[in-house]
Amino acid sequence: QVLLVQSGADVKKPGASVSVSCKASGYTFTNHAMHWARQAPGQRLEWMGWINTGNGKTGYSQKFQGRITITRDTSANIVYMELSSLRSEDTAVYYCARDDFGDYTRPYWFDPWGQGTLVTVSS
Amino acid sequence: DIVMTQSPDSLAVSLGERATINCKSSQSVFYSSTNKNYLAWYQQKPRQPPKLLIYWASTRESGVPDRFSGSGSGTGFTLTISSLQAEDVAVYYCQQYYSSPLTFGGGTKVEIK
Repeated sequence: QVLLVQSGADVKKPGASVSVSCKASGYTFTNHAMHWARQAPGQRLEWMGWINTGNGKTGYSQKFQGRITITRDTSANIVYMELSSLRSEDTAVYYCARDDFGDYTRPYWFDPWGQGTLVTVSS
Repeated sequence: DIVMTQSPDSLAVSLGERATINCKSSQSVFYSSTNKNYLAWYQQKPRQPPKLLIYWASTRESGVPDRFSGSGSGTGFTLTISSLQAEDVAVYYCQQYYSSPLTFGGGTKVEIK
């Protein structure tokens, strides 16, 4: 079955960077784009960006532009999300999620989601 | 950005009764060229990631029980659970994929009365 497995929880100091990985299995990796979203305590889900796993092209939410980088390793079926200049407000559970429709021209709905990775930003 | 507003924030429904969740978008998410509404619904249980229930506003994902249904068009949408079961206790989110940035509603918590 389609499975997305994310890296484990992490604690970072303000100003640092964090990298979260997402390993995909159960389907052809390059046939579906991958998204990243986050859920801060008490906040709604927030879309961060996505990557065309075929050619590596990315699209980011303006909110995170300049701080986020999404990359992929097609040999290992892994997508990475790096967020820099961390602040306390970045404390959240970060999710990767597959773009289910499989059309790279625009984003669609997410299915499935990874299990989530808690990133805590604290001095 | 398209703002998604859900109501109510929470609701308590008796087992076997109907639960209705509303979602409004700040602008239409209907594309006339495809005749589709670019809206999805997700269910999130405690300590789990969201799970896709509905896409294209009314298409049920494979394996989702038929007591879940989606309706609406343009800027107003509804998720209905026709006969609430204990396993349906969760937070439900709507999401628009009409335009970037993709945005989610604030969530509706469904509990048993």
